[in-house]
Amino acid sequence: QVQLVQSGAEVEKPGASVKVSCKASGFTFSSHHMHWVRQAPGQGLEWMAIINPSGTSATYAQKFQGRITVTRDTSTSTLYMELSSLRSEDTAVYYCARDQGGSHSLKFDFWGQGTLVAVSS
Amino acid sequence: QSALTQPASVSGSPGQSITISCTGTSSDVGGYNFVSWYRQNPGKAPKFMIYDVSNRPSGVSDRFSGSKSGNTASLTISGLQAEDEADYYCSSFTGSNTWVFGGGTKLTVL
Repeated sequence: QVQLVQSGAEVEKPGASVKVSCKASGFTFSSHHMHWVRQAPGQGLEWMAIINPSGTSATYAQKFQGRITVTRDTSTSTLYMELSSLRSEDTAVYYCARDQGGSHSLKFDFWGQGTLVAVSS
Repeated sequence: QSALTQPASVSGSPGQSITISCTGTSSDVGGYNFVSWYRQNPGKAPKFMIYDVSNRPSGVSDRFSGSKSGNTASLTISGLQAEDEADYYCSSFTGSNTWVFGGGTKLTVL
């Protein structure tokens, strides 16, 4: 069965970086675009990034340009998201999601369990 | 890219129909037929309910329907049930391989 298992919660200080992983299983990882979405406490969903199936191209929301790097390792079926220069507003649950594909609509059919990143001094 | 505008809350009684709007601009909702809708229950990951404005993934009840007019997309839930109570989010393609979500709408079933 399809599973996306994310790394555990992180507590970071302002200005630090965090790297969240998302290990995929149960499907051909190299066939799907993958995304990162975050959700601050009590807030809505925020789209962050997409990476293509081969990992050769990633696109980021303008808001995160320069602070975010998304990569994937097809040999281990693992997706990564690194966010730098953390500030308190980055405190959120970060989700990886598999795009079902087939159109430019967001068709997230499977999600990771979410990783809480808390930024606090 | 600003978030799409959704009402903060809507409510309805069992059996009724409700509609949630999602307003963007000609650069997102109005410019593309790539609007999706998600339902999120507390503490859970979202589930996609509608894609490409009005298409339902397999397994989603036909009580859920989507439409679009100009820069505003809409999700209609007919025959409202208690289990429909959740947060609902729209999303739209914005071009150049980027997307934006709406602020979310809390649906209360009275």
